[in-house]
Amino acid sequence: NFMLTQPHSVSESPGKTVTISCTGSSGSIASNYVQWYQQRPGSAPTTVIYEDNQRPSGVPDRFSGSIDSSSNSASLTISGLKTEDEADYYCQSYDSSSAWVFGGGTKLTVL
Amino acid sequence: EVQLVESGGGLVQPGGSLRLSCAASGFTFSSYWMHWVRQAPGKGLVWVSRINSDGSSTSYADSVKGRFTISRDNAKNTLYLQMNSLRAEDTAVYYCARDRDSWGDYWGQGTLVTVSS
Repeated sequence: NFMLTQPHSVSESPGKTVTISCTGSSGSIASNYVQWYQQRPGSAPTTVIYEDNQRPSGVPDRFSGSIDSSSNSASLTISGLKTEDEADYYCQSYDSSSAWVFGGGTKLTVL
Repeated sequence: EVQLVESGGGLVQPGGSLRLSCAASGFTFSSYWMHWVRQAPGKGLVWVSRINSDGSSTSYADSVKGRFTISRDNAKNTLYLQMNSLRAEDTAVYYCARDRDSWGDYWGQGTLVTVSS
């Protein structure tokens, strides 16, 4: 079964840049689009990146996504960190039956 | 404005049943695939099930296959999840989400299901 692996947690200071990785277990992560969701405590997930590197309207350009085929991983980069960026972040892709596959989530602490 | 509102969650005993609903508004419901995703307390997001736009095709996670049934009523703009033979490990917040090219562009606020005696 296709799996996505994320670091459990990352932390960085306000104003700095942080990158969260999402590594595919098999096949090429570049074969299907990767999305990134932000989830604040007590709230539903919201999309910050879709189709590898696209931002929904309203998401600041401090958020960017990329794919690295050599490491079979996707990355979410947040620059100019703000305290409001503190949240859980999940990567998501899908398999051949259109089932969604989520990474385990990464807790971002901005301190 | 797109809205997805889940309901039907609550406390149920192990082995019991529950039906969740997701009322959709603000878009042409019958044109979209829909998904259920759950999140156990303090844990990550887990995909549960999906249904295509006319309800003719469904898919389930192995953990719920044979116990849960996803369905929809396009005339009522409502998505359902019938959950039978519930187990303690099914305890979670259940979200419905609209599918846009294999990702969720809109999510409901979630409904909590607690399976406990």
